[in-house]
Amino acid sequence: AQSVTQPDIHITVSEGASLELRCNYSYGATPYLFWYVQSPGQGLQLLLKYFSGDTLVQGIKGFEAEFKRSQSSFNLRKPSVHWSDAAEYFCAVGAPGSRDDMRFGAGTRLTVKP
Amino acid sequence: NAGVMQNPRHLVRRRGQEARLRCSPVKGHSHVYWYRQLPEEGLKFMVYLQKENIIDESGMPKERFSAEFPKEGPSILRIQQVVRGDSAAYFCASSPPTQETQYFGPGTRLLVL
Repeated sequence: AQSVTQPDIHITVSEGASLELRCNYSYGATPYLFWYVQSPGQGLQLLLKYFSGDTLVQGIKGFEAEFKRSQSSFNLRKPSVHWSDAAEYFCAVGAPGSRDDMRFGAGTRLTVKP
Repeated sequence: NAGVMQNPRHLVRRRGQEARLRCSPVKGHSHVYWYRQLPEEGLKFMVYLQKENIIDESGMPKERFSAEFPKEGPSILRIQQVVRGDSAAYFCASSPPTQETQYFGPGTRLLVL
């Protein structure tokens, strides 16, 4: 079964600074990979996803993520963080052909300093 | 198009009562998933349903928890005889038959007193 690890529980960055949130997965083949964002008291919104093809994926709100097979990673990046990006970010791994087998990381809480 | 709807958004129950959480998927989506998010933890898969069928309930506690997705109406997650440890946010997601992407509702926050 697949699993996903988000090594950073909490990250603080200054507004305007760049951001990288780490995500490592464990799976025998190429998984489906997702990043979701959860604002306080809200549900989860899909930021971006990777199924196949170009390993650099563009998402909403200026986010991007890069799939690196050799490192089993799918890190989320943003060149310049805005105060409204403060939220909880979840990386998720799905097994191709098994829609019900999705695993989430524990999440990374992002704080943005003025 | 409306997204996934969940109600109530907040639910308070006393120990021993029943909690019923409802989820209306995106129109045209026939697959529904329930997740539980405990404080300071990530999301944990509970159950996957299609219309009138439970496909995978490997994440559901063996007792007190049940889920259904009837032919008509929303999906229901039922928790009988709630205990304090059931306090959590419960999220529903739906997907169409042809895609792997799940779209999430706003969640129901259950508080057991």
